[in-house]
Amino acid sequence: QGQLQESGPGLVKPSQTLSLTCTVSGGSVTSGSFYWNWIRQPAGKGLEWIGRVYSSGSTNYNPSLKSRVSISLDTSKNQLSLKLSSVTAADTAVYYCAREVAATTSLFDYWGQGTLVTVSS
Amino acid sequence: QTVVTQEPSFSVSPGGTVTLTCGLSSASVSTTHYPSWYQQTPGQAPRTLIYTTNIRSSGVPDRFSGSILGNKAALTITGAQADDESDYYCVLYLGSGIYVFGTGTKVTVL
Repeated sequence: QGQLQESGPGLVKPSQTLSLTCTVSGGSVTSGSFYWNWIRQPAGKGLEWIGRVYSSGSTNYNPSLKSRVSISLDTSKNQLSLKLSSVTAADTAVYYCAREVAATTSLFDYWGQGTLVTVSS
Repeated sequence: QTVVTQEPSFSVSPGGTVTLTCGLSSASVSTTHYPSWYQQTPGQAPRTLIYTTNIRSSGVPDRFSGSILGNKAALTITGAQADDESDYYCVLYLGSGIYVFGTGTKVTVL
């Protein structure tokens, strides 16, 4: 069974870079069976797909965020990371990491519990 | 920008049936968008209900079913129960590794 846990600063200043980590247990981020995704949700609003990374390191990003986002793997720690630059208040949200089954498009089968990031000075 | 639209809210009586839909601004939804559906209660991470149009995730009751209805993806709850009161989100695959979530539907059971 996969387990995912997000971590990182809960408060980020405007114009700075948001950095989050998702620690994966019960599976390896190097497994070719999965993609590893980041998804966010502003308070009271809907879910927004941010992007994903594959075991090879290849990535796909939401076109609306592509210029500011970077997702990568740290295989030594079995983690994935998210970096979002030049943040504004609009980036305040709960950020989730989620595992996607590579052989089954659109199946996000395990999610972390989410971590709230607030952008404020 | 691609927008995936869902009904903002639905109300259903206990034991009743409700069908939620998921439409795409730029085209008809088909199986090639691999529509999936997620249920979310307040303060919780989403839970997978349906993937690849109509496959129920492990442990999901068979009162939940997915389909394509006309030019939209659809999630039907047959015999609604009180604990089905949640927010429901669809997800569509746009190709080239890109996903988009729907706007979400709040379902009330009363």
